[in-house]
Order: sequence, then C-alpha cells, then structure tokens
Amino acid sequence: AQSVTQLGSHVSVSEGALVLLRCNYSSSVPPYLFWYVQYPNQGLQLLLKYTSAATLVKGINGFEAEFKKSETSFHLTKPSAHMSDAAEYFCAVSPNQAGTALIFGKGTTLSVSS
Amino acid sequence: EPEVTQTPSHQVTQMGQEVILRCVPISNHLYFYWYRQILGQKVEFLVSFYNNEISEKSEIFDDQFSVERPDGSNFTLKIRSTKLEDSAMYFCASRGTGVGEQYFGPGTRLTVT
Repeated sequence: AQSVTQLGSHVSVSEGALVLLRCNYSSSVPPYLFWYVQYPNQGLQLLLKYTSAATLVKGINGFEAEFKKSETSFHLTKPSAHMSDAAEYFCAVSPNQAGTALIFGKGTTLSVSS
Repeated sequence: EPEVTQTPSHQVTQMGQEVILRCVPISNHLYFYWYRQILGQKVEFLVSFYNNEISEKSEIFDDQFSVERPDGSNFTLKIRSTKLEDSAMYFCASRGTGVGEQYFGPGTRLTVT
C-alpha cells in the first residue's frame, strides 16, 4: 500500500531564505507524486507533479521538487522564500494515473518571517 | 480559468440529520472524488466516481455515505445520518483524462452538533 510521510509539521524560514519541505513515500509500484498547497480558507492547489518523466520537476511560484528513487523522496524546495509562501503544503502519492485516489501526507505548515 | 465549485461553504447540522454537499466539477472532466479533512489531520480519500458509478472507496465511506451525479454538472455527497465525528472539511475534486492532476474545490466545512 502507498503511504506518504512528511517530516516536520511546521517549518519556519526568514524571507529570502531557502525553503525545504521533506516528503518520503512508500509505493510498491512506480508512483505519481504531487505537491499541493493550501492557503487559509481555500482549497488545495497543485504546485507540481512527477509522472515518471524528468526527475527534477518545476512548478508554480518558483517551487521545484526532485524525485529520488533510491531515497524514496520527493522534497519540495524554493531558493528564496516570500511572505506569500506562508501556507500548508501537502505531499501526495498515486500509484497510477487511472483515477486512483490520492494518498496525502499530514501536511507541513510553512511560516515566513520578515 | 475553470474551477471546481462547492456549496455550501459551511453547513451546520444536528446529529442524526441528513446532509447533502454539492460540487460542480470542471465541465470536461470525467473522474470525480470526495475527500475529507478532520481539523488538524490529513486529507483522507472517501470515494471516486467514473462513468456514473463508484470506482473506488475507502473504509470511511460506509453505508451512511452515498454519491450521485444527478445531472450533467453536479456531483453530490450525501451523509444519511450524521454523527459528531463527521465534522470535517469536505473537498470535491475532478480530473480529466491522461496523466492529470486532480483539481480541488474550496471545500465545505461540515459541523455536526
């Protein structure tokens, strides 16, 4: 069965600092991996997805993630944090594209201070 | 840009009452989903729906829950007899064909008293 572990329920960075949100997955088959962001009182918005093409995936708002099969990781990074990046971030896995449910991690709250 | 919409944004109901949560998926999407997020916990899958039938459901989705696509645009989640533990944010999502992500609505916050 697939599962996702997000290390650190809360990450705090200063504006302009590197953002690193960690995600490890467990999957018996090559997975599809996603990062979603949830701003207060809003739904989940897709940041980026990995679907077995390039291992380094670029998403919206300057975020990117690297799929590392040997480490079963899909960590999310952004070189320079902005105040508007403060939100909750969810890593999710799906075993295939065929309408399967997404399995979410518990989420990481990112705080950005000035 | 097309988006998934959900109504109402907040529903308060008494224990034992029936509730219907409504969603309008993106118009050319074929796969529909319901998820829930209990306060402080992770987002959990409830059910997926394709070609007018349930394609997958979780253990949470018991006989108290049902889904329906009553017309060409709406997708509903019915909870027959609500319990206190059904209080959560319920998200609808839809997906097109191919290798596509699921697009989520803003959610309905259900409070059972």
